[in-house]
Amino acid sequence: AQSVSQHNHHVILSEAASLELGCNYSYGGTVNLFWYVQYPGQHLQLLLKYFSGDPLVKGIKGFEAEFIKSKFSFNLRKPSVQWSDTAEYFCAVSDSWGKLQFGAGTQVVVTP
Amino acid sequence: EAGVAQSPRYKIIEKRQSVAFWCNPISGHATLYWYQQILGQGPKLLIQFQNNGVVDDSQLPKDRFSAERLKGVDSTLKIQPAKLEDSAVYLCASSLEPGPYEQYFGPGTRLTVT
Repeated sequence: AQSVSQHNHHVILSEAASLELGCNYSYGGTVNLFWYVQYPGQHLQLLLKYFSGDPLVKGIKGFEAEFIKSKFSFNLRKPSVQWSDTAEYFCAVSDSWGKLQFGAGTQVVVTP
Repeated sequence: EAGVAQSPRYKIIEKRQSVAFWCNPISGHATLYWYQQILGQGPKLLIQFQNNGVVDDSQLPKDRFSAERLKGVDSTLKIQPAKLEDSAVYLCASSLEPGPYEQYFGPGTRLTVT
């Protein structure tokens, strides 16, 4: 069975600070990993995804994530956050049919 | 391109009543998903359709929840009778085809059961 664990439920940081959100997964098959984001008042949307190849993947808005197979991790990073990055971030793992298993989410608040 | 549409956006009902949610996926998307998101948790898949057939409904509480996707386009999710623990946001998502591809989410329906 798949499971996803996100390390922090709430993160508060100042603009220009660096952000790293932890995500660990357990899954026995081929791993397909995602980060989705939900900005206030908006729909869930894809931030980035990893299927295979280069373990460092880049997404929208300057975000990137690194897949470390040995650690079963897929951490999200951004070197310098902006106020507009305030949102809830969800890590997810998918099976070959597209069934997404989400983590509990991390609420990120960026203060001016 | 129009996104995934859902209605209603909000619904308040009493326990033991019934409720139905509607979803219209992005045009041409063969795969449709319904998720339940309880406050403080991530979305949980309830059911996945490929066209008008069910791919996965293993986490759907079939004693009270039902879903259909007639003609392989719109879908309806029903709860009958509702329980307090059904209070959640119900999200519909669609993708071009089944598989580990981007899913496009609708705005959700927030259900409160009193």
